[in-house]
Amino acid sequence: DGGITQSPKYLFRKEGQNVTLSCEQNLNHDAMYWYRQDPGQGLRLIYYSQIVNDFQKGDIAEGYSVSREKKESFPLTVTSAQKNPTAFYLCASTPRGSLQPQHFGDGTRLSIL
Amino acid sequence: QQQVKQSPQSLIVQKGGISIINCAYENTAFDYFPWYQQFPGKGPALLIAIRPDVSEKKEGRFTISFNKSAKQFSLHIMDSQPGDSATYFCAARTPNSGYALNFGKGTSLLVTP
Repeated sequence: DGGITQSPKYLFRKEGQNVTLSCEQNLNHDAMYWYRQDPGQGLRLIYYSQIVNDFQKGDIAEGYSVSREKKESFPLTVTSAQKNPTAFYLCASTPRGSLQPQHFGDGTRLSIL
Repeated sequence: QQQVKQSPQSLIVQKGGISIINCAYENTAFDYFPWYQQFPGKGPALLIAIRPDVSEKKEGRFTISFNKSAKQFSLHIMDSQPGDSATYFCAARTPNSGYALNFGKGTSLLVTP
């Protein structure tokens, strides 16, 4: 089945550690997005990428980094500079520029040890 | 800055009743308005969506009403069922930010038997 796979489902970070969240899609979508979800806050945009080797900061990019080396993959690194990383992270994709809906993965829950 | 305001924060409806969730926006550049349903531990799933040139869209028990002049839109769930108990998010899309979505803060719906 086509879809978006996020891994791992749960992740724990130690102080000063960088961690990377995986997002893979087999929908042949051009655009991919990372959102952060906090209780009662809705989803907020971290980074987005419309094509391979290009990505842009969203509303809350500080403390995060991404890469887009392949169309199907858009990993997110939570760096030690992100002081409050505990959240539910969601990856989404959509055909670029279309009115097709964004499809979401099932998220990664990141917690601090 | 929340670009999409959603209310109420939580809602309790009896089985068979109508659930109504409201959203308001300011940015007239928004061109697509989806509603997502999210169950605990899962990613949001598209429920129904509307474009601003349409005043109403119905899919099964779910209806979006859209008032362009008032910059408001709402989700109506008819004949609400316990299985509808979930968190609902309205969103709005702008061609800026790579067609990313701006989300409301969500409404937690509980349908009682």
